[in-house]
Order: sequence, then structure tokens, then C-alpha cells
Amino acid sequence: DAGVTQSPTHLIKTRGQHVTLRCSPISGHKSVSWYQQVLGQGPQFIFQYYEKEERGRGNFPDRFSARQFPNYSSELNVNALLLGDSALYLCASSSDWNTEAFFGQGTRLTVV
Amino acid sequence: RKEVEQDPGPFNVPEGATVAFNCTYSNSASQSFFWYRQDCRKEPKLLMSVYSSGNEDGRFTAQLNRASQYISLLIRDSKLSDSATYLCVVNDGYSTLTFGKGTMLLVSP
Repeated sequence: DAGVTQSPTHLIKTRGQHVTLRCSPISGHKSVSWYQQVLGQGPQFIFQYYEKEERGRGNFPDRFSARQFPNYSSELNVNALLLGDSALYLCASSSDWNTEAFFGQGTRLTVV
Repeated sequence: RKEVEQDPGPFNVPEGATVAFNCTYSNSASQSFFWYRQDCRKEPKLLMSVYSSGNEDGRFTAQLNRASQYISLLIRDSKLSDSATYLCVVNDGYSTLTFGKGTMLLVSP
């Protein structure tokens, strides 16, 4: 069975640009969450979607937005990129909103 | 205020050693608890869930003390392949997984 897949795996963007990251959850999983991980820190929660509705939002600015599609895949959008947005962006899928989460390989975003 | 605190590390141990990681969490409403393992520049991978009764998976034993809001992970007979960062993770009962900073383990021959 396919695990959580994310695309792209690596991305380089310029300050001020916009980026869209994509995630496909494990088949049958209805919950998708997004996390940001900067070097030396644990992942920080950005969003959770369950059954296409936002269930939770972390302490991130409005430049960050996300959505979940009818097939449960998800997009994370970041506008007006800052240097500080450079990080590993992780998508996690789970069967329910409070069960074990399984992570994709991440998208490594570099903002220059 | 950090919500999940872990031993700062790194822990350097020889092969065959027993090593213990400790973790405390601040949200008393937290409902589920996990240990994840993360290799360098890779995604976190679920190592084990943690239950109030304690649970064991081979060389790994996890324990939870809800009264003290404390979680532990014990690794027996360390292998070179155990070298990684171990992340203590708490579900807040709604939707959020809160991660500690992680504790790095280095197992040497």
C-alpha cells in the first residue's frame, strides 16, 4: 500500500513568491495535518483537516492556508514567502482526528 | 512556555547499553501519547504509542504517568541502527500533535 506522498520533494523560491505544497494521504485516511519543521526543532502544527473541514489551526500567520479535497488529498499554500519560511514541511495522515499519524517524506522549501 | 519538554541530549552510548528518555507535558487534557523516531533529514516515523498501563515492543518499553504528566522510553541492548532523534509527541485531545524538540541518540561500536 502507498504511504503518504508529498510533492514536490524540494523547492527553491524567492522572497515574496507564493508556493503550493501537495499531499496524498494513505488510502482510507480522512485526516490530513500539516507541520513545519525548522532545523533543530520538533515539527510545529500548522493545520488539520478532517472530512474536508478545518479541525485545527496552529499559530501561523494568515499567509498560510490549506484545503482538503473530496478525495482527501490536501494542499498547503504560503503567500508572500519570507526567508524564515525555509523549512521541512511535513504532511501527516491518520484514520481519525486523534489516532496515530503517519508522515510523508516532506517538502524541503528554501526561500532565497 | 514549552508544552512538551524532553531531555536535551545528545546521548552517546556504546552498543548494548540501556538508555532512557524522559518527557513531560503541560496539558493535563492530553489524550494520547506517542514516541516517534526521526533519522537525519527524514520524516518522523511512529515508534510506538504509549498507554497508561505501559507497553513494550521488543527492546523498547514506553511508560506513561498521567498524574505526573510524564512519559518515558527505555531502549535495551542498543544497536547502531537505533541512532536517531527520538520525539515525544502528545495529542491535545482535539486535533493537534505537539512535539518535543527531540533527543538525539548516538550509539557507537
